[in-house]
Amino acid sequence: KQEVTQIPAALSVPEGENLVLNCSFTDSAIYNLQWFRQDPGKGLTSLLLIQSSQREQTSGRLNASLDKSSGRSTLYIAASQPGDSATYLCAVRRTGRRALTFGSGTRLQVQP
Amino acid sequence: EAGVAQSPRYKIIEKRQSVAFWCNPISGHATLYWYQQILGQGPKLLIQFQNNGVVDDSQLPKDRFSAERLKGVDSTLKIQPAKLEDSAVYLCASSSLRGTGSYEQYFGPGTRLTVT
Repeated sequence: KQEVTQIPAALSVPEGENLVLNCSFTDSAIYNLQWFRQDPGKGLTSLLLIQSSQREQTSGRLNASLDKSSGRSTLYIAASQPGDSATYLCAVRRTGRRALTFGSGTRLQVQP
Repeated sequence: EAGVAQSPRYKIIEKRQSVAFWCNPISGHATLYWYQQILGQGPKLLIQFQNNGVVDDSQLPKDRFSAERLKGVDSTLKIQPAKLEDSAVYLCASSSLRGTGSYEQYFGPGTRLTVT
């Protein structure tokens, strides 16, 4: 059974800092991995999707990496801003399935 | 394109009452998912439809939860009777095959259920 763990559970940083969010998964037979953002009271917004054959994806100030063999992914946020404050969720899709298995998220607070 | 629509956005009921949630996926998306997100946790899959057929309902508490997707478009999730532990956000998502070969999921805003 696939399990996804995210560390840390919560993080508070001053504006302008670069930061790294971590995600680990137990079953390396994944098809892809997605990072989502969730604002309070809102649904999930997809940030980056990495296929299992890829090592990283970039979008603006966000960079996500994937090491399938070690069961790890990181989300790097450069020059953090107060608007980045949200919960970040990591989710993996197992090979042969379409449904996602989620971690519990990292709650990020960027202080102005 | 229009996103995934859900209603209602909020619902408060007493335990043992029944409740229904509605979802309208992105046009053309054949796969529809219902997830349950308890406060402080990540979403957990309840049921997955491919067109109007059920693909995976292994984590759906079938003694009280039911879902249908008539005509392969809109879907309804029902809880009867509700328990206190059903308090959560119910998220609907849809996906279709993209050129990249991925089935990227798009989520609706969710329905926040409070059972008192």
